[in-house]
Amino acid sequence: EAQVTQNPRYLITVTGKKLTVTCSQNMNHEYMSWYRQDPGLGLRQIYYSMNVEVTDKGDVPEGYKVSRKEKRNFPLILESPSPNQTSLYFCASSFREFSTDTQYFGPGTRLTVL
Amino acid sequence: GESVGLHLPTLSVQEGDNSIINCAYSNSASDYFIWYKQESGKGPQFIIDIRSNMDKRQGQRVTVLLNKTVKHLSLQIAATQPGDSAVYFCTFLSGGYNKLIFGAGTRLAVHP
Repeated sequence: EAQVTQNPRYLITVTGKKLTVTCSQNMNHEYMSWYRQDPGLGLRQIYYSMNVEVTDKGDVPEGYKVSRKEKRNFPLILESPSPNQTSLYFCASSFREFSTDTQYFGPGTRLTVL
Repeated sequence: GESVGLHLPTLSVQEGDNSIINCAYSNSASDYFIWYKQESGKGPQFIIDIRSNMDKRQGQRVTVLLNKTVKHLSLQIAATQPGDSAVYFCTFLSGGYNKLIFGAGTRLAVHP
């Protein structure tokens, strides 16, 4: 089954404790991205990657890092999480950068930073 | 800046009625628009898209209308069903097609 998976689905952590949210897709997609969703703000892009070893900042990259060492994986790293990073995070992928290509979203990771 | 606005944050309809969700956008340079549906506890799911060289596109029970003159987009759902209850996002591509701009979403509630 074609899908985007994220782990963990739920995470409660404390300020300053480094964490990684993993994202994996099995569709051989080149393009992957991370979004955060906050009430009343819709989804905002954090980082995106157009291919292996190619990443770039989205609208709200501060406090986040990403890496793209393999085509299928695109982990989101929070080196020193803060309470304002409490949010619902979505990973997405598509075959290539957009044009008319549909983006597939993962199930989401709900992160709470205390 | 770029933005997508929605006329109503919540829309309540009776099962079987038609639903219309409206959206206004600010970036006149965008030429590709997508509607996503997000059910509770899930990620957004593609519904239908439309390019700027079209003003109407139909799918299964859904129709998207685009009015570029007033920068307005709408999603029409025919014979709304309980399974249509979700938050609906209109989005457009920006930044050379590398970024989706999302609005805040409209919650559609379908009542029996």
